[in-house]
Amino acid sequence: EIVLTQSPGTLALSPGERATLSCRASQRVSRTSLAWYQQKPGQPPRLLIYDASTRATGIPDRFSGSGSGTAFTLTISRLEPEDFAVYYCQQYGSSPLLSFGGGTTVEIK
Amino acid sequence: QVQLVQSGAEVKKPGASVKVSCKASGYSFPTHSISWVRQAPGQGLEWMGWISPYNGNTNYAQNFQGRVIMTTDTSTDTAYMELRSLSSNDTAVYYCARVADIVLVPALDYWGQGILVTVSA
Repeated sequence: EIVLTQSPGTLALSPGERATLSCRASQRVSRTSLAWYQQKPGQPPRLLIYDASTRATGIPDRFSGSGSGTAFTLTISRLEPEDFAVYYCQQYGSSPLLSFGGGTTVEIK
Repeated sequence: QVQLVQSGAEVKKPGASVKVSCKASGYSFPTHSISWVRQAPGQGLEWMGWISPYNGNTNYAQNFQGRVIMTTDTSTDTAYMELRSLSSNDTAVYYCARVADIVLVPALDYWGQGILVTVSA
């Protein structure tokens, strides 16, 4: 069973700073099967990135994804006030068929 | 625009069942699978399974095998998720979400607003 581990659990940064979030898989994940989501309190998740590095419709270019194999990264180049939220990675294709990482909280320092 | 509108909050007793709905609009309902994801209070996201409205094929997460039934009604563009034998551990917000493309882009591109299901004696 594939397990996605996100780190750090919490990232405390100031607006304007760069955020780097990690997602590591216990087994190899296809690049086309890795996505990232943002979730704010009381809201459903929002798709940010799919295929490891392709921004979803309407997502600002300060969000970027990279990585392959078992190591993936979500980078927010310059944090805006609305970017403070919880971020989840998600894989598809391995057992279980679809699963999420435990999440990284990006909070205001 | 694509929308997924879910039914209202539910309160159930342990051992009961709950059936929640998710009405889709703004796209051709049979062309995208619907996935169900839940989130316990203060916790992360847990995938429950998905269903293809086109042919009714389902794929359930192992944790829910034998306890969940997902269905769709293409006459009303509505997906349903029934969960049986509820316990307090099933207290969570339940989301439906559209699968962008099962083969090419297996990400969840549109989400419903979520339904809080509370299981309490």
